[in-house]
Order: sequence, then C-alpha cells, then structure tokens
Amino acid sequence: NAGVTQTPKFQVLKTGQSMTLQCAQDMNHNSMYWYRQDPGMGLRLIYYSASEGTTDKGEVPNGYNVSRLNKREFSLRLESAAPSQTSVYFCASTAGVGLAKNIQYFGAGTRLSVL
Amino acid sequence: AQKITQTQPGMFVQEKEAVTLDCTYDTSDPSYGLFWYKQPSSGEMIFLIYQGSYDQQNATEGRYSLNFQKARKSANLVISASQLGDSAMYFCAMREGYRNSGNTPLVFGKGTRLSVIA
Repeated sequence: NAGVTQTPKFQVLKTGQSMTLQCAQDMNHNSMYWYRQDPGMGLRLIYYSASEGTTDKGEVPNGYNVSRLNKREFSLRLESAAPSQTSVYFCASTAGVGLAKNIQYFGAGTRLSVL
Repeated sequence: AQKITQTQPGMFVQEKEAVTLDCTYDTSDPSYGLFWYKQPSSGEMIFLIYQGSYDQQNATEGRYSLNFQKARKSANLVISASQLGDSAMYFCAMREGYRNSGNTPLVFGKGTRLSVIA
C-alpha cells in the first residue's frame, strides 16, 4: 500500500527560486497536513486542509502557499525560497472528522536545502 | 506557552530494560487525544500508541504502554524490554478540541532521542 506519497525526496534550491512539494494519499482521507521539522524543534504545522476545498494556516505559514487540488492531493509551494526554509517537510493525512483517535499517517518526507 | 513538553532531550537505556519517556501537556479542552510517534534514523514517522482524554484505562500496544495521569496532565510512554531497534526519536503529540473544531491537527513536542545500549 502506498499510503502518503511525497515528491521529491530531496531538493536543493537557490535563494529566490520557487518550487512545489507534492503530496498524495490513496487512503480516501479527508484531512491533510504539511509540517516542517527542524533540529530541536519537533514538527511544526505549516498549513492544513480539514476537508476538500478548505485550507487553514498553522503555526508557521509565512513564505508558503498550499493548494488542495482534490481529495487525494495537497501541494505546498514556496514562491521565493529563503535559507530559513531549509528543513525536512512532512505531509500527513487523517481519515475522519471529529474523531478522537484520528491517527495521522505521514509521508517519507522531503529534505529541502536552500542555498 | 508550549502545549506539549518533553523535558528529556536524550536518554540511554540498557537492552532488555524498561524505559519511561516523559510528556506533559497543557489544554483547557476536556476532549483531547494524546499520541506517541517514533522516528528512526531513516526519518519516517511511525504511530505507536494513542490515549483519549475520556479513556478510563491506560493504553497498551505490545511493548508500549502509556502512563496517563490526567490530573497531572502527563502522558508518559513506557517501553518494556528495550531492543536495539528502539533507538530513535520519540515524539509526543496532542489533538484537542476535536469535538467542536472537526479534524484539528496534531501539536508535537520537541522529542526525546532514545539510545538503547547492548
């Protein structure tokens, strides 16, 4: 089973370049999330989409945009990359709405370096 | 204020011994869920165990158990009979307000790095 698939796995950008991180899930999940992980900081939420057609800001949204293209896909865009956006990015998804035990399933991550 | 606090940046445990990883949380919502994830050196995030705020009993999943002390707002992870493969980062996370706000995201602690020694 594929689960949550992120592309690319690795990316190096120059300051000011743009790129889109792709995420797709095949579990028919309603909600999807983008996190970034920095050393010593745990995972911090960038944006999330509680259901198809909706998106909301998380803890660290500045410098990012998202698109919930359909129920399966949720992309994260960096319009003008900065060195501070060097991080590991994780996409995740959860199934139901308003459930307590809503396990988040994660993709393998994208390691992004901005020079 | 931090919603999830993991006070142990790193811990060592002897193989076959039990180990407790601490997690305290802060919320005023009566409806919340607590999760533990494991992140090995390969980088993936692996769900381990879940505890709901209304659950009467502590959660257990194989060698993992969650010591849930609601009054103290703590949700410590206990790993019994540690194995070398348990060496990893461990993250505590919380989802709150799910009854009113739908599918709210997880908030993560900063993690504890566990090293199992042979």
